[in-house]
Amino acid sequence: AQSVSQHNHHVILSEAASLELGCNYSYGGTVNLFWYVQYPGQHLQLLLKYFSGDPLVKGIKGFEAEFIKSKFSFNLRKPSVQWSDTAEYFCAVNAALDSNYQLIWGAGTKLIIKP
Amino acid sequence: DTGVSQDPRHKITKRGQNVTFRCDPISEHNRLYWYRQTLGQGPEFLTYFQNEAQLEKSRLLSDRFSAERPKGSFSTLEIQRTEQGDSAMYLCASSLDRVVTGELFFGEGSRLTVL
Repeated sequence: AQSVSQHNHHVILSEAASLELGCNYSYGGTVNLFWYVQYPGQHLQLLLKYFSGDPLVKGIKGFEAEFIKSKFSFNLRKPSVQWSDTAEYFCAVNAALDSNYQLIWGAGTKLIIKP
Repeated sequence: DTGVSQDPRHKITKRGQNVTFRCDPISEHNRLYWYRQTLGQGPEFLTYFQNEAQLEKSRLLSDRFSAERPKGSFSTLEIQRTEQGDSAMYLCASSLDRVVTGELFFGEGSRLTVL
């Protein structure tokens, strides 16, 4: 069965620190990859996505993610975090050859930025 | 606000009672999804509609759960004979028919507590 692993459940950083959140998936075929973010008290929203092409994708608010097919990874990065980045981040995978209607989600990483 | 709306936002009920949640998707979105999320976990797929047709239902979904989207607009999710294990956040999401599956717009969720 497909699965998505997010390595850290909680991350605490100071402002201006660099961020990398890990995401690994288990599926050997073509995948679509997503990062969603949930700010405190708000709904889940799409941060960035990878379908094909350049494996380095850029999203909103200065976030980027790199798809490394050989490592089955899609790590999220930001060079310098801000207090407003405090949120929960979810990695999700939709296997293009599997059900068209399901996303498989990681358990999420809660990010706290200390001012 | 033209986003996805869910009602009620919070529901506390006693074990054995029935509950119903409503979701109003973004008006032009043909696809509607229900997910369940428990503490420390990512969203878990429950079911999916394209217009009024329920096209997929999770194998993990108990037959106490039923969902409808009678006119292809709003949807309801009913849980009959609630159990304490049903306590969770129930998320609704919608998407346009033409976008690649996975780009979802979420509501803020309906939190169910079963006593």
